[in-house]
Amino acid sequence: DADVTQTPRNRITKTGKRIMLECSQTKGHDRMYWYRQDPGLGLRLIYYSFDVKDINKGEISDGYSVSRQAQAKFSLSLESAIPNQTALYFCATSDYDLAGELFFGEGSRLTVL
Amino acid sequence: GQQVMQIPQYQHVQEGEDFTTYCNSSTTLSNIQWYKQRPGGHPVFLIQLVKSGEVKKQKRLTFQFGEAKKNSSLHITATQTTDVGTYFCAGGRGANSKLTFGKGITLSVRP
Repeated sequence: DADVTQTPRNRITKTGKRIMLECSQTKGHDRMYWYRQDPGLGLRLIYYSFDVKDINKGEISDGYSVSRQAQAKFSLSLESAIPNQTALYFCATSDYDLAGELFFGEGSRLTVL
Repeated sequence: GQQVMQIPQYQHVQEGEDFTTYCNSSTTLSNIQWYKQRPGGHPVFLIQLVKSGEVKKQKRLTFQFGEAKKNSSLHITATQTTDVGTYFCAGGRGANSKLTFGKGITLSVRP
């Protein structure tokens, strides 16, 4: 089983719908992250969390929200999805600080029609 | 804000050729990491460099951190088809700073 698990792996939805992407980890890491990957744009940080009570915006947080339900769970929500949020989303964890090695989940491919 | 640049975005090589790619930061970094993403996969950590001028090797891959800690290079000796993928560098500026990823370079290898 993967150490960082994302669900769903693929999702097609319509404009205006609320979508939640979930991430759970068994690595025991305190720090969790959500990244978005678009062709030619690399990996961009949406939100990150140092621990259960800590949530921080990344470089592209507009249109997204997150919830850290437990040390092992970090979910990303799109309250009202729009087509330009079509992308591949990765959850990641790290053990030390933001300079520590990132462990990525397998990704959630979201298509907004 | 901090920018980490990887140019070009794509490179094609013949199997057996050497390959070098560079990562340049607009600011001095405390550390740099390299990741590899296979087609259809997720990024996987390769290495971290923290010292000025540091060189690390992993089999056919050689990573270097510049003396000024503003650039890094990845060199692959005698590329193989298994080297295909996108290589990302990511720079950090110390504890609790955000890692900034470059846009990546996608390597294709002709057999």
